[in-house]
Amino acid sequence: GEDVEQSLFLSVREGDSSVINCTYTDSSSTYLYWYKQEPGAGLQLLTYIFSNMDMKQDQRLTVLLNKKDKHLSLRIADTQTGDSAIYFCAESKTSGTYKYIFGTGTRLKVLA
Amino acid sequence: GAVVSQHPSWVICKSGTSVKIECRSLDFQATTMFWYRQFPKQSLMLMATSNEGSKATYEQGVEKDKFLINHASLTLSTLTVTSAHPEDSSFYICSAKGSYETQYFGPGTRLLVL
Repeated sequence: GEDVEQSLFLSVREGDSSVINCTYTDSSSTYLYWYKQEPGAGLQLLTYIFSNMDMKQDQRLTVLLNKKDKHLSLRIADTQTGDSAIYFCAESKTSGTYKYIFGTGTRLKVLA
Repeated sequence: GAVVSQHPSWVICKSGTSVKIECRSLDFQATTMFWYRQFPKQSLMLMATSNEGSKATYEQGVEKDKFLINHASLTLSTLTVTSAHPEDSSFYICSAKGSYETQYFGPGTRLLVL
C-alpha cells in the first residue's frame, strides 16, 4: 500500500517545540520530504531526508527517520506564530516517474 | 533558485467554458512537471505527470479529455480544463522537477466555475 498518515491537528504555545509525525507503508521510498502550506498558497519545501539517514537538522528544524517503523517526524524548535500552517510529509521513489505520495496533512496552530 | 510560477492565480468562469492554467519553472529546466488538485482541507491529489515533449500520464480516474496537459518546453506546462463545470472548482497546483528528485511547487490557481 502507499498510504501516508499524519495526525490532523496540533496546537502548541509560542516558544515551545512542535513535533509533527508521519507514518508511511512503502519501504522502497528513497527521499522523504516536509512541505509547509499557508492558507491559499502553494507548498513550500522545508526540508528532506534521504532514506539511508536517521536524522537531519536544519536551523530550527530536525527531521528524524525510523525506517524500521516507517516513521518520520519533523520537530520545530522555538515555534513561532508564523509557523502556523499545514504541514505535509511526502515520499518519493527513484524509479519510474518520481511521483510523490503525500500525507494527509497536519494543521499546526501556534498560540501566542 | 527553483522558483515555479502559475498563472492565473484566480479564475472565475461560466459553466461550459474552457480554462487554461500555465505553470512555469523560472530558473531551472523542468524535465517533469506534475499537476495536482486540492479540495478544501484535504491533501493534494496527483492528476497527471508530464514529461517535456511527450504525452502526459494520467492517474486513475482522471479524464484525459477533460484535463488537457501540454508540456511543450522545458520551462512551461499548461493544464486546460475543458467545458468546466461547478464540480471542477478547486485549487490546482503544479510542481516541477529538474535533474534531482525534489519537486518545487507553484503558488496554485484557484478555479471557481459558476
